[in-house]
Amino acid sequence: GAGVSQTPSNKVTEKGKYVELRCDPISGHTALYWYRQSLGQGPEFLIYFQGTGAADDSGLPNDRFFAVRPEGSVSTLKIQRTERGDSAVYLCASSPTSNTGELFFGEGSRLTVL
Amino acid sequence: AQSVSQHNHHVILSEAASLELGCNYSYGGTVNLFWYVQYPGQHLQLLLKYFSGDPLVKGIKGFEAEFIKSKFSFNLRKPSVQWSDTAEYFCAVNPQTGANNLFFGTGTRLTVIP
Repeated sequence: GAGVSQTPSNKVTEKGKYVELRCDPISGHTALYWYRQSLGQGPEFLIYFQGTGAADDSGLPNDRFFAVRPEGSVSTLKIQRTERGDSAVYLCASSPTSNTGELFFGEGSRLTVL
Repeated sequence: AQSVSQHNHHVILSEAASLELGCNYSYGGTVNLFWYVQYPGQHLQLLLKYFSGDPLVKGIKGFEAEFIKSKFSFNLRKPSVQWSDTAEYFCAVNPQTGANNLFFGTGTRLTVIP
């Protein structure tokens, strides 16, 4: 498809486990973003990639969260030692440029930590 | 603290009623402004955007928004809503500080009664 693809769409895990969430952006989009959306809240910025490098990771809540984009396309958000408070929808977005804020979102990965 | 405020959490309207959703932001300097919409079961998608120029911008599906710089506001309007407008609406700001982050409000849930 032509849109941003995120897998898995749903993930249930136990507290303390490791989780990986994958994002496949729109082809040719150089900018990629991860957001987290909790119930009743707006999307909260986590990290932004321009190409392969993390241009801004100031939104990552702590060092249990890490994201990579090794080839400048697909990105993986990694969460270590998950906690119940990590339960949320994790949204990925991409953009063809890096200076407008106009983002194309995927449908999200819903993470539930039991 | 810098923020995006949407004061209406849930709005219920009958079809053909007029809509206005408030959005205020507290970022200084030049900003890009957006309204995103999330229909039930779908991903976030762009409704309209303001970068510069005419402060009254028109988007898809008959929506418009007005940027009032002196009030730090970017309210969303539609003269006559339809049942299909039922969705969650998010205001977002790109502060253009160099980092290309998009900051979202908490969202307004609109329910349109047929």
